[in-house]
Amino acid sequence: AQSVTQPDIHITVSEGASLELRCNYSYGATPYLFWYVQSPGQGLQLLLKYFSGDTLVQGIKGFEAEFKRSQSSFNLRKPSVHWSDAAEYFCAVGRSGGYNKLIFGAGTRLAVHP
Amino acid sequence: NAGVTQTPKFRVLKTGQSMTLLCAQDMNHEYMYWYRQDPGMGLRLIHYSVGEGTTAKGEVPDGYNVSRLKKQNFLLGLESAAPSQTSVYFCASSRGQGVIGELFFGEGSRLTVL
Repeated sequence: AQSVTQPDIHITVSEGASLELRCNYSYGATPYLFWYVQSPGQGLQLLLKYFSGDTLVQGIKGFEAEFKRSQSSFNLRKPSVHWSDAAEYFCAVGRSGGYNKLIFGAGTRLAVHP
Repeated sequence: NAGVTQTPKFRVLKTGQSMTLLCAQDMNHEYMYWYRQDPGMGLRLIHYSVGEGTTAKGEVPDGYNVSRLKKQNFLLGLESAAPSQTSVYFCASSRGQGVIGELFFGEGSRLTVL
């Protein structure tokens, strides 16, 4: 069965600092991997996705993520965090032929200190 | 652009009462989903639909029913609400078969069952 683990429930960083949010997945074949962001009181918005090819993918708002098959990981990174990045971040996994049903991790809440 | 619209946004019920959440999308998407979001558990799929007139169970379907009589609408019903159904409910939609990727989410409906 597919599953997604986000080990960090809360992370606090200073504005301008770099950020890495961890995501580990469990899936037998090559997964389709996603990062979504949820701002307070809002629905989820897609940041980036990985299907195949280049293992480093670029997303919106300056985010990137790297797929590492050997570690079953898909960590999200940003070189310099802005106060507006404070939100909850969800990693998700899907599969081909799966009707786009996604399995979500529990989420990581990011706080940004000025 | 409306995207995905959920009504109502807030509702308080007493145990045993019934209610229906309405989701409407104006993007002509084939697939629609209902998720619930609970603290520390991320989003879990309740039911989904891959086309007008079709529905299927997700991870946590018990206590819920759904209908998709029109392509643009996906209704989630609670016949006899229980406190365990206190949650934030998200509707999402995506394009159909052969297209993998982005789910478009509504802003959520917060339900409290007393």
